[in-house]
Amino acid sequence: DAGVTQSPTHLIKTRGQQVTLRCSPKSGHDTVSWYQQALGQGPQFIFQYYEEEERQRGNFPDRFSGHQYPNYSSELNVNALLLGDSALYLCASNLFGATTGEEKTQYFGPGTRLLVL
Amino acid sequence: AQKITQTQPGMFVQEKEAVTLDCTYDTSDPSYGLFWYKQPSSGEMIFLIYQGSYDQQNATEGRYSLNFQKARKSANLVISASQLGDSAMYFCAMRERGMNTGFQKLVFGTGTRLLVSP
Repeated sequence: DAGVTQSPTHLIKTRGQQVTLRCSPKSGHDTVSWYQQALGQGPQFIFQYYEEEERQRGNFPDRFSGHQYPNYSSELNVNALLLGDSALYLCASNLFGATTGEEKTQYFGPGTRLLVL
Repeated sequence: AQKITQTQPGMFVQEKEAVTLDCTYDTSDPSYGLFWYKQPSSGEMIFLIYQGSYDQQNATEGRYSLNFQKARKSANLVISASQLGDSAMYFCAMRERGMNTGFQKLVFGTGTRLLVSP
């Protein structure tokens, strides 16, 4: 049973650059969410994709955008990088049509550590 | 808006002892779910246990149990017989329904760092 995978594991960028992070959901899942975790903080919700559309979004600027492909994999794009974008970016997946609360559990990938210099 | 509070920045326990990690929550939604995740230094968030707001019994999963006190809005995680591999950050989270009620996101607390000593 393949879990959530993310790439790359680590990334170093400079201010103003753009970055793309990738995520493949757990086998059988169709919904992908992205979270940003700053050092010493809990994860913060960025946005969620289902059926290739953004379904809900957290309090993040438009510099953060995403995409979901027909195979349910997803990308997170960040433009015009700021020093404050340095964080661990976590991807989580779940099955939208799950019937029980526990079946709706989001499972996380190992994350991508982004450092902006 | 929903809120999760974890008041213990760090906890220390000896191997084979039990430890309780505190979590309180605030919500006006009568239907909600509570989760505990473990985050080792590698970064991956590992799902441990789930408690639904309408569940009559406290959730248990191996050495993990959830002490759910709905009236007090608390959902403490109890780890029995601690092991060295339990050393990690532990996050309490609540599932929050969006405007489209079929879509849900997680709201996390700030976490508790657990250190297990030999």
